[in-house]
Amino acid sequence: AQSVSQHNHHVILSEAASLELGCNYSYGGTVNLFWYVQYPGQHLQLLLKYFSGDPLVKGIKGFEAEFIKSKFSFNLRKPSVQWSDTAEYFCAVNAGRDDKIIFGKGTRLHILP
Amino acid sequence: ETGVTQTPRHLVMGMTNKKSLKCEQHLGHNAMYWYKQSAKKPLELMFVYSLEERVENNSVPSRFSPECPNSSHLFLHLHTLQPEDSALYLCASSQDAITGELFFGEGSRLTVL
Repeated sequence: AQSVSQHNHHVILSEAASLELGCNYSYGGTVNLFWYVQYPGQHLQLLLKYFSGDPLVKGIKGFEAEFIKSKFSFNLRKPSVQWSDTAEYFCAVNAGRDDKIIFGKGTRLHILP
Repeated sequence: ETGVTQTPRHLVMGMTNKKSLKCEQHLGHNAMYWYKQSAKKPLELMFVYSLEERVENNSVPSRFSPECPNSSHLFLHLHTLQPEDSALYLCASSQDAITGELFFGEGSRLTVL
């Protein structure tokens, strides 16, 4: 069965620190990959997505993610975080033509001002 | 404003009550979803509807009954729930059930006493 692992459940950083949130998935075929973000009190929204092409994907608010097929990973990065990045981040996988989108448990990011 | 509206935002019910959650999307999408979000657990996919037909039911207990009368509306009928069913229930929509880019509502927070 497909699964998505987010290794960091809770991350605390100071402003201007660099961020990398890990995401690994288990599926050997074609995948579509996503990062969603949920700011406090708000709805889940798409941060970025990978369907095909350049494995380095740029999203909103300075976030990027790199798809490394050999490692089954899709880690999220940001070079310099801001207090407003405090949120919960979810990695998700849609396995090719399957209509199921599987989410990880989420990583709660807290940025200290 | 995501284009996906859920009502009610909060619901408290006893175990013998019958209630319904409603979701409406104004995006012209063809697929709609119910997810359950509980603390410290991955988002759990409950139901998927594509073009008003149910295409996925992840072994959800029968006390949850979905209804999709048209492509813009999705209901989740609740009957004789258990306290462990207390969670945030999220509705989402996507252009179709394949692309996987989800647009979420703000959720209905359910408490079962």
